[in-house]
Amino acid sequence: GENVEQHPSTLSVQEGDSAVIKCTYSDSASNYFPWYKQELGKGPQLIIDIRSNVGEKKDQRIAVTLNKTAKHFSLHITETQPEDSAVYFCAASLLTGGGNKLTFGTGTQLKVEL
Amino acid sequence: EADIYQTPRYLVIGTGKKITLECSQTMGHDKMYWYQQDPGMELHLIHYSYGVNSTEKGDLSSESTVSRIRTEHFPLTLESARPSHTSQYLCASSDGRRAAFFGQGTRLTVV
Repeated sequence: GENVEQHPSTLSVQEGDSAVIKCTYSDSASNYFPWYKQELGKGPQLIIDIRSNVGEKKDQRIAVTLNKTAKHFSLHITETQPEDSAVYFCAASLLTGGGNKLTFGTGTQLKVEL
Repeated sequence: EADIYQTPRYLVIGTGKKITLECSQTMGHDKMYWYQQDPGMELHLIHYSYGVNSTEKGDLSSESTVSRIRTEHFPLTLESARPSHTSQYLCASSDGRRAAFFGQGTRLTVV
């Protein structure tokens, strides 16, 4: 089955700096890669996703890049703000129309310091 | 905002009790999932369903059971709760074309 590794497990940045979280996946058939943000006491919330036919996607301060050959993808947050502090999860999935079980990375605790 | 609801949000219960965690969604999604989240943050799939009367076990073995009698409802049951079942349980749903939406979770403590 799919295995997703995520690094780093904790990340501390100064407000205004950029943050990068990296993930690798094992199953070359995976074709869908969402990122979730989980705030304390809440469920994970989808923040951005990318499909395997795209190399990069951007949404305001958040961007995701995908390297299918190397089987890794990354989340980039620019101009970080205190409200970006949360746990971030990457995930990989094979979208077939019949189902899309997500395999999650182990999470990154991001802390944005003033 | 995703329309998926979990109740209760918090539950403290004694060992040996039977419990049911409720999960409902109003999006008409046919795919629903239960994840267990340990204190180290990792999310582990314990059950999933791709439609009514269809349920499968996930990657992490669990003593819980699930049912899917209605599209919108996917309850999880523990027949006899034990302290080892203490965890956060997250329900999610999807239309299969993109990422799943999660509920707020149920934090279960078995004493």
